[in-house]
Amino acid sequence: DTAVSQTPKYLVTQMGNDKSIKCEQNLGHDTMYWYKQDSKKFLKIMFSYNNKELIINETVPNRFSPKSPDKAHLNLHINSLELGDSAVYFCASSLGRVAQRDYGYTFGSGTRLTVV
Amino acid sequence: AQSVSQHNHHVILSEAASLELGCNYSYGGTVNLFWYVQYPGQHLQLLLKYFSGDPLVKGIKGFEAEFIKSKFSFNLRKPSVQWSDTAEYFCAVNTVGGGFKTIFGAGTRLFVKA
Repeated sequence: DTAVSQTPKYLVTQMGNDKSIKCEQNLGHDTMYWYKQDSKKFLKIMFSYNNKELIINETVPNRFSPKSPDKAHLNLHINSLELGDSAVYFCASSLGRVAQRDYGYTFGSGTRLTVV
Repeated sequence: AQSVSQHNHHVILSEAASLELGCNYSYGGTVNLFWYVQYPGQHLQLLLKYFSGDPLVKGIKGFEAEFIKSKFSFNLRKPSVQWSDTAEYFCAVNTVGGGFKTIFGAGTRLFVKA
Protein backbone atom coordinates (compact mmCIF):
# COMPACT_ATOMS: atom_id res chain seq x y z
CA ASP A 1 0.00 0.00 0.00
CA THR A 2 1.79 3.12 -1.26
CA ALA A 3 2.20 5.72 1.50
CA VAL A 4 2.49 8.81 -0.74
CA SER A 5 1.20 8.33 -4.24
CA GLN A 6 1.45 10.76 -7.13
CA THR A 7 -0.22 10.69 -10.50
CA PRO A 8 0.72 10.76 -13.24
CA LYS A 9 4.25 9.37 -13.13
CA TYR A 10 5.13 10.91 -16.50
CA LEU A 11 3.60 13.93 -18.16
CA VAL A 12 4.57 15.21 -21.61
CA THR A 13 2.74 18.28 -22.81
CA GLN A 14 3.07 21.27 -25.09
CA MET A 15 3.92 24.80 -24.07
CA GLY A 16 0.91 26.84 -23.09
CA ASN A 17 -1.15 23.90 -21.84
CA ASP A 18 -2.62 23.59 -18.34
CA LYS A 19 -1.95 20.43 -16.35
CA SER A 20 -2.49 19.01 -12.87
CA ILE A 21 -0.55 16.60 -10.70
CA LYS A 22 -2.31 14.79 -7.89
CA CYS A 23 -0.90 13.61 -4.59
CA GLU A 24 -2.45 11.53 -1.84
CA GLN A 25 -0.99 10.20 1.42
CA ASN A 26 -2.42 7.51 3.67
CA LEU A 27 -0.06 8.05 6.59
CA GLY A 28 -2.31 10.36 8.56
CA HIS A 29 0.28 13.13 8.31
CA ASP A 30 -0.77 16.73 8.87
CA THR A 31 1.69 18.40 6.53
CA MET A 32 2.22 18.00 2.80
CA TYR A 33 4.71 19.57 0.41
CA TRP A 34 5.58 20.08 -3.22
CA TYR A 35 9.24 20.10 -4.22
CA LYS A 36 10.73 20.68 -7.65
CA GLN A 37 13.87 18.76 -8.65
CA ASP A 38 15.69 20.22 -11.63
CA SER A 39 17.97 18.49 -14.10
CA LYS A 40 20.94 18.90 -11.75
CA LYS A 41 19.00 17.10 -8.98
CA PHE A 42 18.62 20.29 -6.94
CA LEU A 43 15.52 20.15 -4.72
CA LYS A 44 13.60 23.33 -4.07
CA ILE A 45 10.49 23.65 -1.97
CA MET A 46 7.49 25.18 -3.65
CA PHE A 47 4.54 24.89 -1.28
CA SER A 48 3.50 23.35 1.99
CA TYR A 49 0.09 22.81 3.55
CA ASN A 50 -0.66 21.95 7.15
CA ASN A 51 -4.18 20.63 7.72
CA LYS A 52 -5.38 22.21 4.48
CA GLU A 53 -3.84 25.57 5.33
CA LEU A 54 -1.08 27.03 3.15
CA ILE A 55 1.99 27.61 5.33
CA ILE A 56 4.84 27.84 2.84
CA ASN A 57 4.60 29.63 -0.47
CA GLU A 58 8.05 30.12 -1.95
CA THR A 59 8.92 32.36 -4.83
CA VAL A 60 7.03 30.39 -7.42
CA PRO A 61 5.31 31.86 -10.50
CA ASN A 62 1.60 32.32 -9.87
CA ARG A 63 0.96 29.96 -12.79
CA PHE A 64 1.48 27.27 -10.12
CA SER A 65 -1.46 26.85 -7.78
CA PRO A 66 -1.69 24.21 -5.05
CA LYS A 67 -5.00 22.94 -3.75
CA SER A 68 -5.62 20.85 -0.67
CA PRO A 69 -9.22 19.57 -0.45
CA ASP A 70 -8.37 17.68 2.74
CA LYS A 71 -5.24 16.92 4.71
CA ALA A 72 -4.62 13.69 2.81
CA HIS A 73 -4.51 15.37 -0.61
CA LEU A 74 -2.38 18.09 -2.13
CA ASN A 75 -2.71 18.75 -5.83
CA LEU A 76 -0.64 21.02 -8.04
CA HIS A 77 -2.14 22.84 -11.00
CA ILE A 78 0.08 24.54 -13.53
CA ASN A 79 -1.25 27.05 -16.06
CA SER A 80 0.39 28.11 -19.32
CA LEU A 81 3.25 25.64 -19.10
CA GLU A 82 6.70 26.82 -20.15
CA LEU A 83 9.82 24.95 -21.23
CA GLY A 84 11.51 25.86 -17.94
CA ASP A 85 8.83 24.01 -15.99
CA SER A 86 10.31 20.71 -17.16
CA ALA A 87 11.49 18.92 -14.01
CA VAL A 88 10.57 16.17 -11.60
CA TYR A 89 7.96 17.26 -9.08
CA PHE A 90 7.91 15.44 -5.76
CA CYS A 91 5.10 15.41 -3.28
CA ALA A 92 6.00 14.66 0.34
CA SER A 93 4.27 14.43 3.67
CA SER A 94 5.36 14.62 7.28
CA LEU A 95 4.02 14.71 10.81
CA GLY A 96 5.05 18.36 10.84
CA ARG A 97 6.64 19.77 13.95
CA VAL A 98 6.10 17.83 17.16
CA ALA A 99 7.81 19.28 20.24
CA GLN A 100 10.42 21.05 18.09
CA ARG A 101 11.17 17.85 16.22
CA ASP A 102 10.60 17.35 12.55
CA TYR A 103 10.54 13.63 11.87
CA GLY A 104 11.43 13.90 8.22
CA TYR A 105 9.52 13.43 5.03
CA THR A 106 7.98 10.55 3.17
CA PHE A 107 8.27 11.26 -0.53
CA GLY A 108 6.12 10.19 -3.42
CA SER A 109 7.68 8.58 -6.48
CA GLY A 110 7.72 11.83 -8.43
CA THR A 111 6.13 13.15 -11.60
CA ARG A 112 8.48 13.76 -14.51
CA LEU A 113 7.07 16.72 -16.41
CA THR A 114 8.41 17.41 -19.88
CA VAL A 115 7.24 20.51 -21.70
CA VAL A 116 7.87 20.51 -25.43
CA ALA B 1 19.16 32.80 5.02
CA GLN B 2 19.76 29.21 5.97
CA SER B 3 21.78 27.11 3.55
CA VAL B 4 23.18 23.62 3.25
CA SER B 5 26.48 22.81 1.53
CA GLN B 6 27.56 19.40 0.34
CA HIS B 7 31.22 19.52 -0.55
CA ASN B 8 31.48 16.63 -2.94
CA HIS B 9 29.29 16.62 -6.02
CA HIS B 10 30.57 13.31 -7.36
CA VAL B 11 32.30 10.49 -5.49
CA ILE B 12 33.57 7.27 -7.02
CA LEU B 13 34.57 4.39 -4.76
CA SER B 14 35.36 0.73 -5.11
CA GLU B 15 33.32 -1.82 -3.18
CA ALA B 16 34.44 -2.25 0.44
CA ALA B 17 35.93 1.25 0.55
CA SER B 18 34.90 3.57 3.37
CA LEU B 19 32.62 6.49 2.68
CA GLU B 20 32.38 9.94 4.17
CA LEU B 21 30.18 12.63 2.62
CA GLY B 22 30.46 16.14 3.96
CA CYS B 23 27.57 18.41 4.89
CA ASN B 24 27.68 21.87 6.45
CA TYR B 25 24.81 24.18 7.24
CA SER B 26 24.52 27.82 8.13
CA TYR B 27 22.20 28.52 11.04
CA GLY B 28 23.07 29.44 14.58
CA GLY B 29 20.04 28.02 16.33
CA THR B 30 18.58 24.59 16.98
CA VAL B 31 18.37 22.31 13.98
CA ASN B 32 16.94 18.98 12.94
CA LEU B 33 19.28 17.24 10.49
CA PHE B 34 18.63 14.56 7.90
CA TRP B 35 20.25 12.48 5.23
CA TYR B 36 18.15 11.18 2.36
CA VAL B 37 19.10 8.76 -0.42
CA GLN B 38 17.73 8.69 -3.95
CA TYR B 39 18.45 5.52 -5.90
CA PRO B 40 18.50 5.86 -9.69
CA GLY B 41 15.02 6.57 -11.00
CA GLN B 42 13.45 6.46 -7.56
CA HIS B 43 12.13 8.84 -4.93
CA LEU B 44 14.00 10.11 -1.90
CA GLN B 45 14.08 7.92 1.18
CA LEU B 46 15.07 8.92 4.69
CA LEU B 47 18.40 7.35 5.77
CA LEU B 48 18.72 8.88 9.22
CA LYS B 49 17.83 11.91 11.31
CA TYR B 50 19.19 13.84 14.25
CA PHE B 51 17.21 15.88 16.78
CA SER B 52 19.28 16.06 19.95
CA GLY B 53 21.30 13.90 22.33
CA ASP B 54 23.99 11.53 21.10
CA PRO B 55 25.66 13.28 18.16
CA LEU B 56 26.40 9.95 16.49
CA VAL B 57 23.28 8.76 14.75
CA LYS B 58 22.80 5.35 13.18
CA GLY B 59 20.48 4.89 10.24
CA ILE B 60 19.39 2.19 7.85
CA LYS B 61 21.63 0.11 5.57
CA GLY B 62 24.69 0.55 7.82
CA PHE B 63 24.93 4.33 7.47
CA GLU B 64 25.73 6.68 10.33
CA ALA B 65 26.24 10.40 10.69
CA GLU B 66 27.95 12.59 13.23
CA PHE B 67 26.70 16.00 14.29
CA ILE B 68 29.50 18.39 15.25
CA LYS B 69 27.82 21.53 16.48
CA SER B 70 30.99 23.63 16.62
CA LYS B 71 31.62 22.91 12.94
CA PHE B 72 27.97 23.12 11.84
CA SER B 73 28.53 19.77 10.20
CA PHE B 74 26.60 16.53 9.80
CA ASN B 75 28.78 14.15 7.80
CA LEU B 76 27.52 10.82 6.54
CA ARG B 77 29.67 7.72 6.88
CA LYS B 78 29.67 4.05 5.99
CA PRO B 79 32.62 1.77 6.78
CA SER B 80 32.28 -0.45 3.71
CA VAL B 81 30.20 0.50 0.67
CA GLN B 82 28.49 -1.89 -1.69
CA TRP B 83 27.62 -1.58 -5.37
CA SER B 84 23.97 -1.18 -4.31
CA ASP B 85 24.86 2.07 -2.49
CA THR B 86 25.22 3.80 -5.85
CA ALA B 87 22.79 6.71 -5.51
CA GLU B 88 22.39 10.42 -4.91
CA TYR B 89 22.70 11.50 -1.26
CA PHE B 90 21.06 14.63 0.09
CA CYS B 91 21.73 16.38 3.36
CA ALA B 92 18.81 18.42 4.72
CA VAL B 93 18.25 20.85 7.56
CA ASN B 94 15.09 21.95 9.31
CA THR B 95 15.60 24.93 11.54
CA VAL B 96 13.59 25.13 14.74
CA GLY B 97 12.00 28.53 14.53
CA GLY B 98 12.30 28.45 10.75
CA GLY B 99 8.84 27.14 10.20
CA PHE B 100 8.09 23.87 8.49
CA LYS B 101 10.60 24.38 5.71
CA THR B 102 13.38 21.87 5.15
CA ILE B 103 16.35 23.02 3.09
CA PHE B 104 18.16 20.43 0.99
CA GLY B 105 21.77 20.43 -0.11
CA ALA B 106 22.63 20.08 -3.78
CA GLY B 107 23.29 16.36 -3.42
CA THR B 108 26.32 14.09 -3.82
CA ARG B 109 26.29 11.47 -6.52
CA LEU B 110 28.02 8.28 -5.33
CA PHE B 111 29.10 5.64 -7.79
CA VAL B 112 30.41 2.37 -6.37
CA LYS B 113 32.46 0.22 -8.72
CA ALA B 114 31.89 -3.51 -8.42
